[in-house]
Amino acid sequence: QKEVEQDPGPLSVPEGAIVSLNCTYSNSAFQYFMWYRQYSRKGPELLMYTYSSGNKEDGRFTAQVDKSSKYISLFIRDSQPSDSATYLCAIGMKTSYDKVIFGPGTSLSVIP
Amino acid sequence: DAGVTQSPTHLIKTRGQQVTLRCSPKSGHDTVSWYQQALGQGPQFIFQYYEEEERQRGNFPDRFSGHQFPNYSSELNVNALLLGDSALYLCASSLQSQTQYFGPGTRLLVL
Repeated sequence: QKEVEQDPGPLSVPEGAIVSLNCTYSNSAFQYFMWYRQYSRKGPELLMYTYSSGNKEDGRFTAQVDKSSKYISLFIRDSQPSDSATYLCAIGMKTSYDKVIFGPGTSLSVIP
Repeated sequence: DAGVTQSPTHLIKTRGQQVTLRCSPKSGHDTVSWYQQALGQGPQFIFQYYEEEERQRGNFPDRFSGHQFPNYSSELNVNALLLGDSALYLCASSLQSQTQYFGPGTRLLVL
């Protein structure tokens, strides 16, 4: 079983739609959770970072973590064409170093 | 405040050659991690440097080596290049155990 699983998509939605992106992970030892956005041929850009179960909101983005189910989500409200990108979930734990595991990414297209 | 920078942006090499990629961390950051991202995949951890020492290594062969300099910048070296080494190589910097910030990457093509 992979440590992080993510539906690769592609996902295509009309402008203004609510987008839901999801990841599951297998090891309950992971302590913190992140979402990165990656535009084509660019490096990943950190969108959200959270330690705890529950919701964290930042503008049109909401990250949701359920540690008991080992399930994380990213919601995008009022999606825009500029949101078209690949979204990577990442989970981390602090050991002798910061172990961070990335999902394969979900490709999102927002159609005007 | 400059973010993480990487050079070169693109590189073409042939099988068997050697390559050196460079990374300058975000100002104030002291830890550099290197990742390999194949097309359609998430970044895979290669290794992490802190205080000029390799702190941890992922599942990559010894052909992949690195270095961190006193100014915290870092190099990734790959010897005896294989076709399968073609990928986007990402550098991420952080302040000790804080959040990692990524550079734009170096796209390597091995022919």
